[in-house]
Amino acid sequence: DAKTTQPTSMDCAEGRAANLPCNHSTISGNEYVYWYRQIHSQGPQYIIHGLKNNETNEMASLIITEDRKSSTLILPHATLRDTAVYYCIVRAAGGSYIPTFGRGTSLIVHP
Amino acid sequence: DGGITQSPKYLFRKEGQNVTLSCEQNLNHDAMYWYRQDPGQGLRLIYYSQIVNDFQKGDIAEGYSVSREKKESFPLTVTSAQKNPTAFYLCASNFRGTTEAFFGQGTRLTVV
Repeated sequence: DAKTTQPTSMDCAEGRAANLPCNHSTISGNEYVYWYRQIHSQGPQYIIHGLKNNETNEMASLIITEDRKSSTLILPHATLRDTAVYYCIVRAAGGSYIPTFGRGTSLIVHP
Repeated sequence: DGGITQSPKYLFRKEGQNVTLSCEQNLNHDAMYWYRQDPGQGLRLIYYSQIVNDFQKGDIAEGYSVSREKKESFPLTVTSAQKNPTAFYLCASNFRGTTEAFFGQGTRLTVV
């Protein structure tokens, strides 16, 4: 699986967009980009995933660059409840897969 | 409601005692996983099971044991052989071959 690189921490003002970057320069053609988040003392929660097209759901938007070497998770109107650690994972579809999580990005949303 | 349930949320044990953490899911998922998380760290895989009556060691299996007698249940025993058992333990499940995993709320184990 391709390795991902994320900033250790970020902060954002409440009501503003939070843009969380992820580099995955060794991604291969059949690998998806997944995002999870973990609120303090809870289990990680799936947010969104994509292959090459931009994706949007009720939680966030995922923008994947044309060369697929990086992506950005966008929380359009961050709230205090979005304060969490955000994990970017790259994984091929199908086959035997064990979900793995690195350190992620700690996002702090401040008033 | 479908989901994955871990119990208890907080657990205290004396050093040298074995302790079993419960994980139950009613999502009909094939695969189940146990992770350990220490402060400021990512999740480290302890054990996983992709089918009933079968399980494999993860990256940090020493001092832990599991069983998978039923599809819905994957209990984790923290034995006295685990040198530093105080941590946050997370259980997860998914359909085999998919990346989207569903997590329980975790059990915070403190050994004194």
